Amino acid sequence: AQRVTQPEKLLSVFKGAPVELKCNYSYSGSPELFWYVQYSRQRLQLLLRHISRESIKGFTADLNKGETSFHLKKPFAQEEDSAMYYCALKGYSSASKIIFGSGTRLSIRP
Amino acid sequence: DVKVTQSSRYLVKRTGEKVFLECVQDMDHENMFWYRQDPGLGLRLIYFSYDVKMKEKGDIPEGYSVSREKKERFSLILESASTNQTSMYLCASSHPTEAFFGQGTRLTVV
Repeated sequence: AQRVTQPEKLLSVFKGAPVELKCNYSYSGSPELFWYVQYSRQRLQLLLRHISRESIKGFTADLNKGETSFHLKKPFAQEEDSAMYYCALKGYSSASKIIFGSGTRLSIRP
Repeated sequence: DVKVTQSSRYLVKRTGEKVFLECVQDMDHENMFWYRQDPGLGLRLIYFSYDVKMKEKGDIPEGYSVSREKKERFSLILESASTNQTSMYLCASSHPTEAFFGQGTRLTVV
C-alpha cells in the first residue's frame, strides 16, 4: 500500500537551531518524493523534490531508499520557516496519484 | 503563472443538501485532484482525474463523486452532505509531477 508517515505533529525549535522533519514512506516501486509547505494564509506549494537534489530556502532532503525515508533538514532555522510541512509521494507514471502525509507544524521560537 | 481557482472560499450547507465544489485550472494540466485537509490527518485524497472523463477513487471516496467534462474543470459533488464532511477542501492540478493548489474551500455542514 502507498503510505507517507510523518511521525511528528508539531516540532518547535529555537531560531538558529538545526531542524529535521521526518518522513517515511511505503511504496512498491520507485516513487518521486516531495516536500510541500503551507505558510499562514497561503496556498500549499512545492518546496522541493528529490530528483532535483537542490537546496530551497536552505532546506535539503535526501532520499534513503534503504530506510524508505525522505527527511527534510535545515542547519539554521529562521522565524520565517514557521509553517505546515507535508511530505508527499507520486508514482512515476504520469497518471499516478499524489499521496500526502499528515503534516508537521514547524514553529520557530525567537 | 499557474492558476488553480476554486469557486468559493467559504460555504455553509445544510445536512442532506447536494453540494458542488468547482475547480478550474488555466494551464492545460492533465491531472487534477480533490483532497480534504483536516488537522492531524493531513491531506487525504478523495478523487483524482488523469484525463477528461477519466477518474479514479482516492483513499476516502465514500459520499463523494466527481465530474470532469472539460480538461480545465474538475468538480467535486457531495451527494447528500453530512456533518462529518465539514472540512477544508483543496483542489490541485499537476504537470508533470509538481502539484499546484487552489486556495481551498472551507465547507461547513450544519
